[in-house]
Amino acid sequence: EVQLVESGGGLVQPGWSLRLSCIASGFTFDDYAMHWVRQAPGKGLEWVSGISWNSGTKGYADSVKGRFTISRDNAKNSLHLQMSSLRDEDTALYYCAKGSRPSYYYFMDVWGKGTTVTVSS
Amino acid sequence: DIQMTQSPSSLSASVGDRVTITCRASEGINSNLAWYQVIPGKLPKLLIYASSTLQSGVPSRFSGSGSGTDFTLTISSLQPEDVAAYYCQRYNSVPLTFGGGTKVEIK
Repeated sequence: EVQLVESGGGLVQPGWSLRLSCIASGFTFDDYAMHWVRQAPGKGLEWVSGISWNSGTKGYADSVKGRFTISRDNAKNSLHLQMSSLRDEDTALYYCAKGSRPSYYYFMDVWGKGTTVTVSS
Repeated sequence: DIQMTQSPSSLSASVGDRVTITCRASEGINSNLAWYQVIPGKLPKLLIYASSTLQSGVPSRFSGSGSGTDFTLTISSLQPEDVAAYYCQRYNSVPLTFGGGTKVEIK
């Protein structure tokens, strides 16, 4: 069974940093791109970042560019999101999602349950 | 960036009704469109990709159509378990933009 389990969320103050992780199982991790998608309270889905199968290409939403860094460790079937200079508007449920292709330009076909990030003073 | 506009933002229908959700792209995206179902507390679920291809395991009452700028998701006979938010998403270039969502409720 394909499974994605996120961790690392929590309550932080504006300006702080946080690192999210996602552990994948049930599929050949290094065959597929991976993504982070978030949903702020009462809002819709927002694509945050994607990374290709071999980390060769990465993409970010304008809202997080320069503050967030996506990475993956194919040996450990893990995906990470390093978030810095956090803002109130980064408060959201962060989903890890499996891409449907090696490139991150495609849709997501499996999602995790998410981890909650709250940025507040 | 290409914008995705969904309508309506919410709807209420009876069990057995035919439900249609629309998604419009600000410029042509060929058939590079997916639809997702999000139920609070559950894993988001891919329903349709390439505008009209049903993801494996998704009930056949769900269908998608469209190409270019105008797309629709149809639930042919609404069931209680379909209460959810539905999102369209364009892909094939960055950013992978989602529509604003449509909340579906049972009347």
